[in-house]
Amino acid sequence: QSVLTQPPSVSAAPRQKVTISCSGSSSNIGGSPVSWYQQVPGTAPKLLIYESVKRPSGIPDRFSGSQSGTSATLGITGLQTGDEAEYYCGTWENSLHSYVFGTGTRVTVL
Amino acid sequence: QVQLQESGPGLVKPSETLSLTCTVSGYSINSDYYWAWVRQPPGEDLEWIATMIHTGTTYYNPSLRSRVTISLDEAKNQFSLQLNSVTAADTAVYYCARQVSGLGSYHDYWGQGTLVTVSS
Repeated sequence: QSVLTQPPSVSAAPRQKVTISCSGSSSNIGGSPVSWYQQVPGTAPKLLIYESVKRPSGIPDRFSGSQSGTSATLGITGLQTGDEAEYYCGTWENSLHSYVFGTGTRVTVL
Repeated sequence: QVQLQESGPGLVKPSETLSLTCTVSGYSINSDYYWAWVRQPPGEDLEWIATMIHTGTTYYNPSLRSRVTISLDEAKNQFSLQLNSVTAADTAVYYCARQVSGLGSYHDYWGQGTLVTVSS
């Protein structure tokens, strides 16, 4: 029931690039910066990108974020086996004064 | 280094109240950050539950608002979650997190999560 839509899965070979889209509306992505989280199975989510394009300390520059209109994108270059995880976008939903997460995307390294 | 740790019963009976506490170390909850609860049912996506700041401002997921209370205990540097009238649908891993709210909102520090099962 999330208001942020992501593709269920993406995959690529090692060292290749993947992009994950996050589609919303004017009341969420259209008005607020997006953040991205990585969740390895059995562990807590980890912040990857905040304020659309910024990376917390310790996050490699292989991870990048962009945002335009009512959509956002996470890019991962130089794909590694350690990148296999579920990835979620998130942002503030202004119409509901709520935080919303995306539907999640499973990244598989072939 | 900011650390968060959830604690509380791992098993709750249907119709009863789920109560969890998050103990924060390395940072005062009496600050300009918000403090949040997020849950994840087994095999499902993340769901934000509630957020609070020490000024008393609270935000709740509309779908859970009628059953949820978030509160802060500044003396113990803890914050808590209460979820009333639970059903099996409330079975999930519950995470506490620090929420930044400024130009954008995001959760930068997370607890490890605690599994709460609702069952008789």
